[in-house]
Amino acid sequence: AQKITQTQPGMFVQEKEAVTLDCTYDTSDQSYGLFWYKQPSSGEMIFLIYQGSYDEQNATEGRYSLNFQKARKSANLVISASQLGDSAMYFCAMSNLYNFNKFYFGSGTKLNVKP
Amino acid sequence: DSGVTQTPKHLITATGQRVTLRCSPRSGDLSVYWYQQSLDQGLQFLIQYYNGEERAKGNILERFSAQQFPDLHSELNLSSLELGDSALYFCASSVATRALTSGANVLTFGAGSRLTVL
Repeated sequence: AQKITQTQPGMFVQEKEAVTLDCTYDTSDQSYGLFWYKQPSSGEMIFLIYQGSYDEQNATEGRYSLNFQKARKSANLVISASQLGDSAMYFCAMSNLYNFNKFYFGSGTKLNVKP
Repeated sequence: DSGVTQTPKHLITATGQRVTLRCSPRSGDLSVYWYQQSLDQGLQFLIQYYNGEERAKGNILERFSAQQFPDLHSELNLSSLELGDSALYFCASSVATRALTSGANVLTFGAGSRLTVL
């Protein structure tokens, strides 16, 4: 069975510093995708970044990067130069690449950026 | 604007009632997913449709049902509502059910429908 684990319910980071949000996953699939979504207090879910299981390089999207360690089954999100607007819930998610019927989401990490 | 439209944005109703939540997927997306997010919880997958057909079921109660219409919009029907059904209900859409070689078949979420059952 697929499982996503986010062990940090809440985190604080100082503005302009970098922060790493942890995500580990469990799957028997060989082909899968890992995703991070941001949910601000307004409630909408915003896609941030994607990593495919066969991608050799870590994904980057602006200030977001995904630290993918396949052997350790981890897909941590790194946010560089934190901004106040980064304060939100962050969800890690996973899906089989050839059976997109279900996305499995972690329980989320609430990030607070302090001025 | 994500391109996924959900209505209504807010809904307050009483126990025992029935409500319908509506979702219009992003243009070109054939797959629609419904998720439930209760207070301070993660997202629970309810059901998925692809081009009008049900493709997968998650933790969807028997009191809940959904369908996807020929124009690809989808409706989630919640009946015999209970207090515990109060939640944010998300619709998401994607292009297909298989990954695209160029990258992610990303789920694009609507803004959600917040249901309060009193």
